[in-house]
Amino acid sequence: GAGVSQSPSNKVTEKGKDVELRCDPISGHTALYWYRQSLGQGLEFLIYFQGNSAPDKSGLPSDRFSAERTGGSVSTLTIQRTQQEDSAVYLCASTQKHTQYFGPGTRLTVL
Amino acid sequence: GDSVTQMEGPVTLSEEAFLTINCTYTATGYPSLFWYVQYPGEGLQLLLKATKADDKGSNKGFEATYRKETTSFHLEKGSVQVSDSAVYFCALSDAQGAQKLVFGQGTRLTINP
Repeated sequence: GAGVSQSPSNKVTEKGKDVELRCDPISGHTALYWYRQSLGQGLEFLIYFQGNSAPDKSGLPSDRFSAERTGGSVSTLTIQRTQQEDSAVYLCASTQKHTQYFGPGTRLTVL
Repeated sequence: GDSVTQMEGPVTLSEEAFLTINCTYTATGYPSLFWYVQYPGEGLQLLLKATKADDKGSNKGFEATYRKETTSFHLEKGSVQVSDSAVYFCALSDAQGAQKLVFGQGTRLTINP
């Protein structure tokens, strides 16, 4: 399909482990965003990429969170030493003409 | 900072009823405004958008008008269907910079047959 894809769709991990979440944007979209959807906080912005650089990382909740993007395409969000409060659905979006198109999300559960 | 406030849910209506979900915003500058919908078990989908004052966005029978004077972007539909049951999110994005989305808290809508 031509949409944004994310993997894995579900991830269960133990507290203290590291996790990597992947996003494949729509081909040709230069801007990419990560958001988090949790019961307590709603939908929150995490980080924005333009090409391979991240001019806005203001939403990353702590230094345990990092993200990179390579080749202007795939992006990986990494959470180190996961905590239970990191449990959420992590959403990726890419942009065309100022409209963001979302992937299906990765549901992360930290036990 | 920028913020979006939505009508609290959940909202339950009968089929063919008229729907309004209120949304107001606070922003500097001139944001673009959006309604996204999340159907059960699915991801966020763009429902409609408006990029400047007095613009009306419409899709699938839903409409919303960008009202700068009242800083509002209320979602309306004249006759809802069971298939409209979903969570609806109002959002804004800055016209400049990162253009990240700021979301309201979401409104869960249930339509009964």
